[in-house]
Amino acid sequence: EAGVAQSPRYKIIEKRQSVAFWCNPISGHATLYWYQQILGQGPKLLIQFQNNGVVDDSQLPKDRFSAERLKGVDSTLKIQPAKLEDSAVYLCASSQEGGLSSYNSPLHFGNGTRLTVT
Amino acid sequence: AQKITQTQPGMFVQEKEAVTLDCTYDTSDPSYGLFWYKQPSSGEMIFLIYQGSYDQQNATEGRYSLNFQKARKSANLVISASQLGDSAMYFCAMREVSFLRGGNQFYFGTGTSLTVIP
Repeated sequence: EAGVAQSPRYKIIEKRQSVAFWCNPISGHATLYWYQQILGQGPKLLIQFQNNGVVDDSQLPKDRFSAERLKGVDSTLKIQPAKLEDSAVYLCASSQEGGLSSYNSPLHFGNGTRLTVT
Repeated sequence: AQKITQTQPGMFVQEKEAVTLDCTYDTSDPSYGLFWYKQPSSGEMIFLIYQGSYDQQNATEGRYSLNFQKARKSANLVISASQLGDSAMYFCAMREVSFLRGGNQFYFGTGTSLTVIP
């Protein structure tokens, strides 16, 4: 099966500019996650979708970050305006289920987008 | 309190030797899953092994095994016969069921950097 696809692979922008990332999950996976991983740290959840509904966005900086998952498939994550501290790798992941009985489903990750804000 | 604790920021192992990476977790839910991921310098997150909270036996996948001690809330990863390609960051993660949210969430540790010495 095809894996999680993400683009772009790398992005360099100046602070206060905007940027968007795209993710296409594994076919049939209901749950999609966006993580931010700062160098030397573990991934931090930004937002979790189940189909096209938001399950958890408690750690998303909503004044500058937004995300959507139209039709319950592809997703985009946007940052506007970007700050220097947004420099990180943005990882998209999907899993088959996200419900109460699916605690054994692993996350499958894309290759990530490495964002550098100058 | 941290959900996942990895106390070893860096580890070294001689090629062909075995190494244990430590992980402790914190949850009050009876149903949960424990996962280990490998992240090479290229950045992708690779799923290695899974252990369910109800599993009686320790999980094994090739050279990877998970030493699950439920009473101590530990889920250590054992890599046998280390290879140079095992040099990477290793993350322990837990999927915890949340009845309040009607779903579940993944928590990651801060990672352990493993270096295999020829």
